[in-house]
Amino acid sequence: GAGVSQSPRYKVAKRGQDVALRCDPISGHVSLFWYQQALGQGPEFLTYFQNEAQLDKSGLPSDRFFAERPEGSVSTLKIQRTQQEDSAVYLCASSRLGSSYNEQFFGPGTRLTVL
Amino acid sequence: AQSVAQPEDQVNVAEGNPLTVKCTYSVSGNPYLFWYVQYPNRGLQFLLKYITGDNLVKGSYGFEAEFNKSQTSFHLKKPSALVSDSALYFCAVRASFGNEKLTFGTGTRLTIIP
Repeated sequence: GAGVSQSPRYKVAKRGQDVALRCDPISGHVSLFWYQQALGQGPEFLTYFQNEAQLDKSGLPSDRFFAERPEGSVSTLKIQRTQQEDSAVYLCASSRLGSSYNEQFFGPGTRLTVL
Repeated sequence: AQSVAQPEDQVNVAEGNPLTVKCTYSVSGNPYLFWYVQYPNRGLQFLLKYITGDNLVKGSYGFEAEFNKSQTSFHLKKPSALVSDSALYFCAVRASFGNEKLTFGTGTRLTIIP
């Protein structure tokens, strides 16, 4: 596909369950970002990778959140022991190497609802 | 720290009239500024960016934005609004050096009235 894809598009979890959210970036894009968008808010930065290296994870809200990109392509955001406050849309974005001012291309997001 | 303010939660404009969606920012050093649009159940779509050079930048779907360094603003504009422009608009900023992460505003819902 031509764009960033994310799966699943919707996820309902019971409080305490673990979830894994997947992001497939645009082919060849080196940088990959995760954002969290709460209802009625703008996206907030969680973490980002350049190839397989996680360069910044300062936005992860707690140690229950973990992200990886082991081969420098697909990334997974894992949330352990989900809480109701984790309910949000999780957006993935990618950008290509070469210039630090390239725009980020966003996927459709995964809407997580924790009951 | 970097931040973005979008002072209007909602903007209503009659079809055919010009529109403006306001954005002000704060960042250390020179800013890179972006506008994105979000349609229901879809991700953010890139509209335009300011990196350097001409203060007036043109983007997709007839949108443009004016960078004003003294007022730290980057307002989005369009000369003639279409009903299809109705959506949620986000302004974002990042510093020109270091971390690539974007900081977004809270969004402005634009409604074009037929």
